[in-house]
Amino acid sequence: AQKITQTQPGMFVQEKEAVTLDCTYDTSDQSYGLFWYKQPSSGEMIFLIYQGSYDEQNATEGRYSLNFQKARKSANLVISASQLGDSAMYFCAMRAYNTDKLIFGTGTRLQVFP
Amino acid sequence: DADVTQTPRNRITKTGKRIMLECSQTKGHDRMYWYRQDPGLGLQLIYYSFDVKDINKGEISDGYSVSRQAQAKFSLSLESAIPNQTALYFCATSDNEGSNEQFFGPGTRLTVL
Repeated sequence: AQKITQTQPGMFVQEKEAVTLDCTYDTSDQSYGLFWYKQPSSGEMIFLIYQGSYDEQNATEGRYSLNFQKARKSANLVISASQLGDSAMYFCAMRAYNTDKLIFGTGTRLQVFP
Repeated sequence: DADVTQTPRNRITKTGKRIMLECSQTKGHDRMYWYRQDPGLGLQLIYYSFDVKDINKGEISDGYSVSRQAQAKFSLSLESAIPNQTALYFCATSDNEGSNEQFFGPGTRLTVL
């Protein structure tokens, strides 16, 4: 069975500092995709970044990068130069290519302070 | 205009009532999904549809039904609402190429009294 684990219920970071949000996954599939979504207090789900299991390079999107360590089955999100607007819930999710279903972790609440 | 819209955005209802949540998309995607999010938890898949004639159960389909009226429309029904169905409900769409990123609607907050 597929599973996503986010072990950090909450994280604090000072503005302009970098922060890493942890995500580990469990799957027996060879092909899969890993996603990070942001959910601000307003409730919407905002796509941040994607990493395919066969991608050799770590994904980057602006201030977001994904530290993908396939052997350890981890896909940590790194946010550089944190901003107050980054305060939100962050969800890691996995999709197996043969099912297209997303499995979500329980999320990490990030709070950025001045 | 938003690509994925959900109506209503908020709904309060009573136990035993039938409720329909609607989702429309203008992205031209074939694949649509319904998720629920309980407080403090991630999203769980209720139903998904790969095209108009293809409907599949997700992890937590009991107590729910769906209808795919057209490529652009996917409705979720609670035939007889119960309090533990109080949650935030999301509709999402994806295409079948590339990363298959799912695009989410704004969510419907449902409260069952």
